[in-house]
Amino acid sequence: SAVISQKPSRDICQRGTSLTIQCQVDSQVTMMFWYRQQPGQSLTLIATANQGSEATYESGFVIDKFPISRPNLTFSTLTVSNMSPEDSSIYLCSVEESGTEAFFGQGTRLTVV
Amino acid sequence: AQSVTQLGSHVSVSEGALVLLRCNYSSSVPPYLFWYVQYPNQGLQLLLKYTSAATLVKGINGFEAEFKKSETSFHLTKPSAHMSDAAEYFCAVSSNTGGFKTIFGAGTRLFVKA
Repeated sequence: SAVISQKPSRDICQRGTSLTIQCQVDSQVTMMFWYRQQPGQSLTLIATANQGSEATYESGFVIDKFPISRPNLTFSTLTVSNMSPEDSSIYLCSVEESGTEAFFGQGTRLTVV
Repeated sequence: AQSVTQLGSHVSVSEGALVLLRCNYSSSVPPYLFWYVQYPNQGLQLLLKYTSAATLVKGINGFEAEFKKSETSFHLTKPSAHMSDAAEYFCAVSSNTGGFKTIFGAGTRLFVKA
């Protein structure tokens, strides 16, 4: 199974600033996914990131707010831009493997003050 | 489009009692179905998955789920609850088309009473 490392594991940020979250996978994967889990809520898919193309965003999420990079088959970043307290969430990176299962990183716990 | 509905945001059982967490799905293509568990302040852990093989799927920690196409259901059960089962449980659906996006249900928090 894929091993996913996310950095940072947690951060406290001032409103109006931006945070970039890194996701590193120990194997090459075609698709990487970014999710948000707001306090007490389920996981919501933000976007799908393919290497060599622009990310595909889900309804309610836009590139200006959540720019994503995917420079190679083992790495991706998600930036949370111009943060507000409503952005306080856990952000999770996920990859698909073997066409049957998604694996998740431990997440980045973001608090915006 | 795919979606998942989990019936009951909270379920409370006594230790030793049957655990039943309900999940119904909607999918226009053959689905892959999953149950994940999340303990407080921890990441997601896969309990079990259905990927078009046997309809009764056994997972870790004594959990199992049965895929019922006619009912579009994938309910999670465990014969005897343990205190350590208290957690948040998420049902999820994906497919091998459209990029394998995993869509999650709202989650069910399981409480286990001594």
